[in-house]
Amino acid sequence: GDSVTQMEGPVTLSEEAFLTINCTYTATGYPSLFWYVQYPGEGLQLLLKATKADDKGSNKGFEATYRKETTSFHLEKGSVQVSDSAVYFCALSDRVTNAGKSTFGDGTTLTVKP
Amino acid sequence: NAGVTQTPKFRVLKTGQSMTLLCAQDMNHEYMYWYRQDPGMGLRLIHYSVGEGTTAKGEVPDGYNVSRLKKQNFLLGLESAAPSQTSVYFCASGVALDEQYFGPGTRLTVT
Repeated sequence: GDSVTQMEGPVTLSEEAFLTINCTYTATGYPSLFWYVQYPGEGLQLLLKATKADDKGSNKGFEATYRKETTSFHLEKGSVQVSDSAVYFCALSDRVTNAGKSTFGDGTTLTVKP
Repeated sequence: NAGVTQTPKFRVLKTGQSMTLLCAQDMNHEYMYWYRQDPGMGLRLIHYSVGEGTTAKGEVPDGYNVSRLKKQNFLLGLESAAPSQTSVYFCASGVALDEQYFGPGTRLTVT
């Protein structure tokens, strides 16, 4: 079945540091890929997405590129801020095995210190 | 648009009590989902629905029931609450193969 593996956390960075959160996936078909962010006490919200190979999703300074050859969708940001402290989830939705569902990674907690 | 709303936000139950969590969405989405989130466990799918009048089991359906009588509403029921059901419950809605929109969550404690 489909699966998503994320870099284990927690991740602690200083403000203005470079961020990478690794995400790899296995899927039967041709998935769409997503990064969601969850701020403390809130539900998940979409951060960015990519629907086909080599697409780059971007939002709020975050970027991720859909790499089919390495089955990866790593999240990056050049300069993190304290306000980026949150839990980040990688997810996929597979058009072959989808049945209306998404597969989520376990989440990576990011803490940014001033 | 309110998006996805959940009622209640907090609840404390005693073991054996029952309750219903209500999820409502105003985006005309076909798909709706119920998840639970526990520390170190990520998100786990309880039940989902691909349209009005349909429901299906997810990863952890035992101890829960659901109903989707109206397209905009998705109810999650606990018939006899157990301490193992202490968790944060999230409802989401969406369209196939696209992003999901999440509610703010319901924090449930079973004593």
